[in-house]
Amino acid sequence: GAVVSQHPSRVICKSGTSVKIECRSLDFQATTMFWYRQFPKKSLMLMATSNEGSKATYEQGVEKDKFLINHASLTLSTLTVTSAHPEDSSFYICSARRSAGYEQYFGPGTRLTVT
Amino acid sequence: QKEVEQDPGPLSVPEGAIVSLNCTYSNSAFQYFMWYRQYSRKGPELLMYTYSSGNKEDGRFTAQVDKSSKYISLFIRDSQPSDSATYLCAMSEEGFQKLVFGTGTRLLVSP
Repeated sequence: GAVVSQHPSRVICKSGTSVKIECRSLDFQATTMFWYRQFPKKSLMLMATSNEGSKATYEQGVEKDKFLINHASLTLSTLTVTSAHPEDSSFYICSARRSAGYEQYFGPGTRLTVT
Repeated sequence: QKEVEQDPGPLSVPEGAIVSLNCTYSNSAFQYFMWYRQYSRKGPELLMYTYSSGNKEDGRFTAQVDKSSKYISLFIRDSQPSDSATYLCAMSEEGFQKLVFGTGTRLLVSP
């Protein structure tokens, strides 16, 4: 159990367009979901934490108007990268956590390339 | 100074070797310590979890936490080529509001 999926796994978009990434908990209800960004040879950087039905809490330095996060249900969170630029190219990973517990279950990640 | 420091490697060992992976940290409020394994182009998966100081063993894996030194370790016995991956340490304060990750150490186990 505790499977998290992400879609798409890879996306290439043109500069200036918007891209939506979905994160789903397939076999459990996730009251909290997290969005991370990972650069090569760098640690996972937490971008934001979202609780179902609430506004996301963004980490310092993360533009909330650029990275729109929606956690509309207990099994789905979305990250929309608006007006994408080449510097937004990265590996984006989501994780999900049950209401009771500490463990975060990670999705397989989405590779975003902005040309 | 970063909150969590981890040598990025790569660390290359022959099959069967004992592997030692380490992290140091600066935030004394960290209480929960985890080790994740991440294969290329995949999300991390939890290997070990430890609360406060002490040791924890699970099969070939042993996690150690020394809070007085702000130092944590993961030992892998009888390493296998399938253990080749990036190992990330992660830590959290009480309440699990967020995890702070190290950069990850890339491990290569050769047959």
